[in-house]
Amino acid sequence: VQLVESGGGLVQPGGSLRLSCVASGFPFKSYIMNWVRQAPGKGLEWVSYISSGGSPTYYADSVRGRFTISRDNAKNSLYLQMNSLRAEDTAVYYCARRVGYCGGDCDTLDPWGQGTLVTVSS
Amino acid sequence: ETVLTQSPGTLSLSPGESATLSCRASQSVSGFYLAWYQQKPGQAPRLLIYGASTRASGIPDRFGGSGSGTDFTLTISRLEPEDFAVYYCQHYGVSPPYTFGQGTKLEIK
Repeated sequence: VQLVESGGGLVQPGGSLRLSCVASGFPFKSYIMNWVRQAPGKGLEWVSYISSGGSPTYYADSVRGRFTISRDNAKNSLYLQMNSLRAEDTAVYYCARRVGYCGGDCDTLDPWGQGTLVTVSS
Repeated sequence: ETVLTQSPGTLSLSPGESATLSCRASQSVSGFYLAWYQQKPGQAPRLLIYGASTRASGIPDRFGGSGSGTDFTLTISRLEPEDFAVYYCQHYGVSPPYTFGQGTKLEIK
């Protein structure tokens, strides 16, 4: 089971970036997926959630209206389109699979990708 | 939204000692929805405990989770050098679906 993110980089405030996460080793189309971010030296912040079929989707208040999560199950890929980027969006962005252990009752994130760094700065 | 508060912020211990990390929820939560993660510098978080007390696959038995309601604990016995890291508790809720504590840094004394 592996998740590999890409697409991070340096972008100016107000700019856009699209992150990708390619999954392997499990039936991607059957799993809910998430993006979680971590600002430098800070804790973890959940960003967005997408159901196995692509809908529904959910967003943190801090990114709603600016970020869009999507997936292509045929390509085993998860995406995060980030628009109107701000300095406070600077972070490592992780994709993470939702797993329902305990017969589906214990909701966890497992595994996580290695992350991709997004830096918003002029 | 359920807020998770972890304590202490930093814990300084020596290899071989035992560590007790706390996670307090702002309201009573089901243990099914409480998990713990370990994060080492430069690495992604790794699932340690789910359902408040069940070790994830491959996690050594020196890691243990307990608690219910608003108070949950991660215990690490016989600390190994590789256990020194940052630990996060996480709750699955309705909105937002995932919230995290601010983390406890376990450092070598």
